[in-house]
Amino acid sequence: DQQVKQNSPSLSVQEGRISILNCDYTNSMFDYFLWYKKYPAEGPTFLISISSIKDKNEDGRFTVFLNKSAKHLSLHIVPSQPGDSAVYFCAAETSYDKVIFGPGTSLSVIP
Amino acid sequence: DGGITQSPKYLFRKEGQNVTLSCEQNLNHDAMYWYRQDPGQGLRLIYYSQIVNDFQKGDIAEGYSVSREKKESFPLTVTSAQKNPTAFYLCASKQRSGGAGANVLTFGAGSRLTVL
Repeated sequence: DQQVKQNSPSLSVQEGRISILNCDYTNSMFDYFLWYKKYPAEGPTFLISISSIKDKNEDGRFTVFLNKSAKHLSLHIVPSQPGDSAVYFCAAETSYDKVIFGPGTSLSVIP
Repeated sequence: DGGITQSPKYLFRKEGQNVTLSCEQNLNHDAMYWYRQDPGQGLRLIYYSQIVNDFQKGDIAEGYSVSREKKESFPLTVTSAQKNPTAFYLCASKQRSGGAGANVLTFGAGSRLTVL
């Protein structure tokens, strides 16, 4: 039973437009939510995070929104660039160090 | 430079053999993790360790074993009991939770295991 879900396996967006990646979770015990970006045959790299007590966090072109009542978060990338093409993983962390990842969404930004 | 080193990068194993994947970090992180990646499955947690000489099972621990005798090392053994071991294995580390913010995982480059 997946505790962190990313229901869109893939997403294609035109360069310059907004990319919206979604994530749903089932466990209310998660303290933090993080987004990681991954290229093939490499380890994921951290992108942005949000505390469970916040509803928005912004870092440059990247913004993460958290709707705790709906157990839903989303990552917005504006404007999207071809270099953003990668697999994006949503992850959730508990206070006792357990970190669970979603299945990922493959983003393609078309020039 | 601080980081995580995984070895070997590629490994081939015959059915019925055990194999050990190495993970070493020089980041002075307390917590270490092993994940497995399969196509369409994302990263699934195998084992994690919050402190030396202690570790917890993740969601798919069956057929795997770990040890944490030193802070900087967290080797993963894939045993013959693992039914489908062919996958990409990722090791990661971070500071323990409880600080002022989320503690970011640092990942190694991964080890690809193929069972022949």
